[in-house]
Amino acid sequence: NAGVTQTPKFQVLKTGQSMTLQCAQDMNHEYMSWYRQDPGMGLRLIHYSVGAGITDQGEVPNGYNVSRSTTEDFPLRLLSAAPSQTSVYFCASSRGDQPQHFGDGTRLSIL
Amino acid sequence: AQRVTQPEKLLSVFKGAPVELKCNYSYSGSPELFWYVQYSRQRLQLLLRHISRESIKGFTADLNKGETSFHLKKPFAQEEDSAMYYCALSLVGGTYKYIFGTGTRLKVLA
Repeated sequence: NAGVTQTPKFQVLKTGQSMTLQCAQDMNHEYMSWYRQDPGMGLRLIHYSVGAGITDQGEVPNGYNVSRSTTEDFPLRLLSAAPSQTSVYFCASSRGDQPQHFGDGTRLSIL
Repeated sequence: AQRVTQPEKLLSVFKGAPVELKCNYSYSGSPELFWYVQYSRQRLQLLLRHISRESIKGFTADLNKGETSFHLKKPFAQEEDSAMYYCALSLVGGTYKYIFGTGTRLKVLA
């Protein structure tokens, strides 16, 4: 089992560019979430999904889109990157009432 | 509103000293609380879950509903305990919707 896999690990973008952060899990977990981690602010929930075809907004959804076409994948799209989106992004998955498993993170810099 | 507060950004202790990382929460429902640890440049890992009432790597945490606290304790700190510690509150039965605290960096000095 690879667990939760995030790609890329690092990315530098210019303001206004778009990109997709990939997240895949091989544990057949129904729940998946995206967080951003910023110094002094902990982790904040961006979007989450309770199953294929179902997504919802978290605490800081603006500027991000998600979709969940399969149980395994939960990509996060930045529509038009802004410097305020410079952060470390974590994807997590879980099943039933079990705690979340996290990926290694994607370190994103917006210039 | 739901909230998790970790009042200390940085906690430095000497090896062998006791450690207490503070966590307070605000939640009107029945709380389910976790401690996650993030070692340098690694992914977050679950350390403790309050309903398990386990001791992991010598750490324990007790839920105190009266004081709305879930402090993390270890009697004798080790250098390998140096890491970032996050307290988290689950809003939906331990699953996908967590509120995280801002984290406490623990430095254990030799």
